[in-house]
This record gives sequence, C-alpha cells and structure tokens, in this order.
Amino acid sequence: AQSVTQLDSQVPVFEEAPVELRCNYSSSVSVYLFWYVQYPNQGLQLLLKYLSGSTLVKGINGFEAEFNKSQTSFHLRKPSVHISDTAEYFCAVSGIQGAQKLVFGQGTRLTINP
Amino acid sequence: DTEVTQTPKHLVMGMTNKKSLKCEQHMGHRAMYWYKQKAKKPPELMFVYSYEKLSINESVPSRFSPECPNSSLLNLHLHALQPEDSALYLCASSRQFPGGGETQYFGPGTRLLVL
Repeated sequence: AQSVTQLDSQVPVFEEAPVELRCNYSSSVSVYLFWYVQYPNQGLQLLLKYLSGSTLVKGINGFEAEFNKSQTSFHLRKPSVHISDTAEYFCAVSGIQGAQKLVFGQGTRLTINP
Repeated sequence: DTEVTQTPKHLVMGMTNKKSLKCEQHMGHRAMYWYKQKAKKPPELMFVYSYEKLSINESVPSRFSPECPNSSLLNLHLHALQPEDSALYLCASSRQFPGGGETQYFGPGTRLLVL
C-alpha cells in the first residue's frame, strides 16, 4: 500500500516570493510521483511527474520538483509566485504496473498575497 | 491534446431519481477512471476501466453503476443516492508513455447535489 503526506495544509506567501510545498510518501514498491493543481471549481491539472531518470523534473507554470529516494520526498518549488498560482496543490503516487489508482495527499492550499 | 470532457457540469437530484454522468476522451487512452471528491478533501478512486473492462472497484455502493460502452466513453449511472453522495465527480483517462509511466489526465468534473 502507498500513502502520501503533505506536511502543510496551508501556505501563505507574498507575490514574487519563492515557495516550497512539501510531500513525503511511503510505499513498499516502486512508485511514480505526481503533482496536480486544482483551481477553484475546476478539475485537476497535471503540473509535473517523476517516472524515472533525472531526479529534478520541470513542469508547467515555472514549477519544478525534486525526487529524493532516501528521504522519500517529492517537494514542489517555484522561485517566484504570482497571484494566479493561488490554488490547491495535490501530491500523488501510483504503482508502476498498468492502470492503477492515484493515492493523493490531503492537499496544500497555496495563497498568494499581494 | 489532453482533453477529457464531462457532462453535465452540475446536477441536482432527489434520492429517488435515476441520472447518469458522462465522460468522453478522444486521445486513444486505454484506461478511464471515476474519482469522488468531497469538499476540501483529495479525490478518492471509485472505479477503473482498462481496455473497456472493469479492473478496479474500490468497494463502491451498488447505487453507483459504471459503464464503459466503448474506449472513448465512460458513464456513471446513479440511483437512489443519499445526501452524503453530494460531491465533485471527476473522470480521468490515462496513457502509457514509452519506457513506462501511466499518467492520468482529469476532466473538469460534475458537481452533484443530492437532496
């Protein structure tokens, strides 16, 4: 079984400041890792994913994440945030064999203040 | 193109009604999913169809009945729902990338209110 812990339920930051959203996972098997963003009253949009290879992955909207196997972490970062980044961010894991369920963390609400 | 469409966007139904949610994708994805998301909670998997066959059922009550008529369509039939079933219902589809890696893409959801 897999589980995901997002360490912060809410993160307030000022516009143009850097931000890091933390994610730790637990699994007895190999996993794929994902970050999704959900804007108010919308579905989930894929920000980025780690499947294999380079541990630093770049996604859309200037976000990047680093996979750290020893610390079982997959933290999301952005060097300079904008008001439009205000949203709920979900870290998720899945097994690597075929179509499997995504196991989500509880989400982090990112609020950007002017 | 990673578009998954869902209809309707909003649905209000009584506990004795029968209704259906529809999901469509034309990306040639091989797997389709239904998730349920309660307010301020993460999505939770309900069903997975792989190659048009039900492959995962997360012990969902029988008042929810999925159907996959073809590789592009996924329906969720609703009957005798309870108020606690009110939620955002998300559909997703996935493809496998060369070298592995199944990535799910989500639709905008149907917001369901059961009265």
